[in-house]
Amino acid sequence: QSALTQPPSASGSPGQSVTISCTGTSSDVGGYNYVSWYQQHPGKAPKLMIYDVYRRPSGVPDRFSGSKSGNTASLTVSGLQAEDEADYYCSSYAGSDNLVFGGGTKLTVL
Amino acid sequence: QLQLQESGPGLVKPSETLSLTCTVSGGSISSSSYYWVWIRQPPGKGLEWIGNIYYSGSTYYTPSLKSRVTISVDTSQNQFSLKLSSVTASDTAVYYCARTLYSSAWSGFDPWGQGTLVTVSS
Repeated sequence: QSALTQPPSASGSPGQSVTISCTGTSSDVGGYNYVSWYQQHPGKAPKLMIYDVYRRPSGVPDRFSGSKSGNTASLTVSGLQAEDEADYYCSSYAGSDNLVFGGGTKLTVL
Repeated sequence: QLQLQESGPGLVKPSETLSLTCTVSGGSISSSSYYWVWIRQPPGKGLEWIGNIYYSGSTYYTPSLKSRVTISVDTSQNQFSLKLSSVTASDTAVYYCARTLYSSAWSGFDPWGQGTLVTVSS
């Protein structure tokens, strides 16, 4: 059982927007601004898409955005494209020198 | 461009110690204030953070593995390593090495190595 809760699946049509949630507690997501999001295509290493809740690394399209409200962080993908179909994982600092991941969400582009 | 590459045995027997090395190229492991990270992913499952190490040798480990894990750094070889003792089948996973994006141990991880599958079986 993962420390952070993500929906197992999400979907949307090309051009639409989809939001993936990542629910924790006040001891992790709600307590720190160290939430990251990763995209993983089959057989590939994860790729950092969002860090520090809403910041984008260089090279990540601005279609990807992150936010947080209380104990829940969210990743929104706008203008869905076929190549966005992948697994997405959130992570958060959980205090006491510990970091936890969510269970992952499979995003399907219909 | 910084690149990371995992290496080590792909098959480990139960109760033995898993040993992996991550070789860093395109930059010095001790030249900047980054943390170096190990993460694993069992087949068909999600990601699990194992631990971080600073170039000076200070470490952080996930609580569930802390009693079995050692992460070390060799600045002369530009490498850092993972040792996991007393392995069982549940330690079968793809093991990734990575670097933190900036100087905090808890920032995002980028870049990542390609990963290496380690199977625990007799």
